[in-house]
Amino acid sequence: DGGITQSPKYLFRKEGQNVTLSCEQNLNHDAMYWYRQDPGQGLRLIYYSQIVNDFQKGDIAEGYSVSREKKESFPLTVTSAQKNPTAFYLCASSMGDKRIYEQYFGPGTRLTVT
Amino acid sequence: AQTVTQSQPEMSVQEAETVTLSCTYDTSESDYYLFWYKQPPSRQMILVIRQEAYKQQNATENRFSVNFQKAAKSFSLKISDSQLGDAAMYFCASQNAGGTSYGKLTFGQGTILTVHP
Repeated sequence: DGGITQSPKYLFRKEGQNVTLSCEQNLNHDAMYWYRQDPGQGLRLIYYSQIVNDFQKGDIAEGYSVSREKKESFPLTVTSAQKNPTAFYLCASSMGDKRIYEQYFGPGTRLTVT
Repeated sequence: AQTVTQSQPEMSVQEAETVTLSCTYDTSESDYYLFWYKQPPSRQMILVIRQEAYKQQNATENRFSVNFQKAAKSFSLKISDSQLGDAAMYFCASQNAGGTSYGKLTFGQGTILTVHP
């Protein structure tokens, strides 16, 4: 079964700690994305990667970091510099071809920082 | 920069009736895509329908159809014969088709749809 997995589903951390959210896809997609969703708001782009070993900042990259060492993996680290880290985080992937744009989403990770 | 606006925070519809969700967008690009995504209580994002800006014909997917007005930068979603399973948050989104920012989705704030039996 092809798809995107995010783990864990719920994550709890103490303030001041870095935390890494996992995102894995077996769709053979080139492009991967991280979004943040806050209550009552749409999704906002944190980082995206169109190819292995390359990534770009999205609209709200401050306090986050990513890596793309493998095509199928795009982990997101929420650092202690992120002022309001509690949110729902969604990972997505797409073929990356300029004429094919559908993004497939993972089930998300709910991060709570206290 | 692209912006997407959904002016209806909440909408409701009776089962089997029709409802229309509104969306307006702003972009300086000539080639772009527009989407409607559904997010049910499970929070899994599901693509409902896609419209290529260069196509004049409105996209249709079973009970879901769009009214794409390019000059007005309007992209509404019509759900016909509403079902209880249609209850969800609906997001309108836009995406550039070229340039260095291709692939990036810009989302609206979402519309919560309630379906009454």
